[in-house]
Amino acid sequence: KQEVTQIPAALSVPEGENLVLNCSFTDSAIYNLQWFRQDPGKGLTSLLLIQSSQREQTSGRLNASLDKSSGRSTLYIAASQPGDSATYLCAVRGSGGGADGLTFGKGTHLIIQP
Amino acid sequence: DGGITQSPKYLFRKEGQNVTLSCEQNLNHDAMYWYRQDPGQGLRLIYYSQIVNDFQKGDIAEGYSVSREKKESFPLTVTSAQKNPTAFYLCASSIPLAGGEQFFGPGTRLTVL
Repeated sequence: KQEVTQIPAALSVPEGENLVLNCSFTDSAIYNLQWFRQDPGKGLTSLLLIQSSQREQTSGRLNASLDKSSGRSTLYIAASQPGDSATYLCAVRGSGGGADGLTFGKGTHLIIQP
Repeated sequence: DGGITQSPKYLFRKEGQNVTLSCEQNLNHDAMYWYRQDPGQGLRLIYYSQIVNDFQKGDIAEGYSVSREKKESFPLTVTSAQKNPTAFYLCASSIPLAGGEQFFGPGTRLTVL
């Protein structure tokens, strides 16, 4: 069964720093990987989608990489801002059969200090 | 504006009662999903539907039921058989292709009194 792990569970950094959030998954048979942002009490906002054939995707100050063979993805946030404070979730969509839908990690709770 | 709406935002239920959560989308997506989120845990899949009049159980379907009579709507009923229903419920949709990006609604917080 697919398992997704996110490290660290929490992170607090001063404004302006570049930072990296890590995601690992146990089964490399995936269709894609998505990074989401969740603000307290809110739904999920999709940040980046990486297909299994891709190595990275970029959107503004965000860059996500995927190494499917090693079961790893990273989300790089450049020049962090207080508005980036949120929980970041990584999720994979499996291609190995079984139920459709995404398998999620528990998230990284990020605080950017002004 | 295209998007996914969930209602109500907050829902309170007495023990032993069934309650139905609404999910509507105008993105013209064929696939729809229900997830449950508990504090300190990742989202877990309850049910999903790839097409109208068809749906499949996810990882934690016990105590829940769904219907998919229209493409735009995928209501979730939390029955009295669900032992621990207090949670944050999230609905999502996507195109049914393997590479389809999932989009989420704002969620419904259910509390059992």
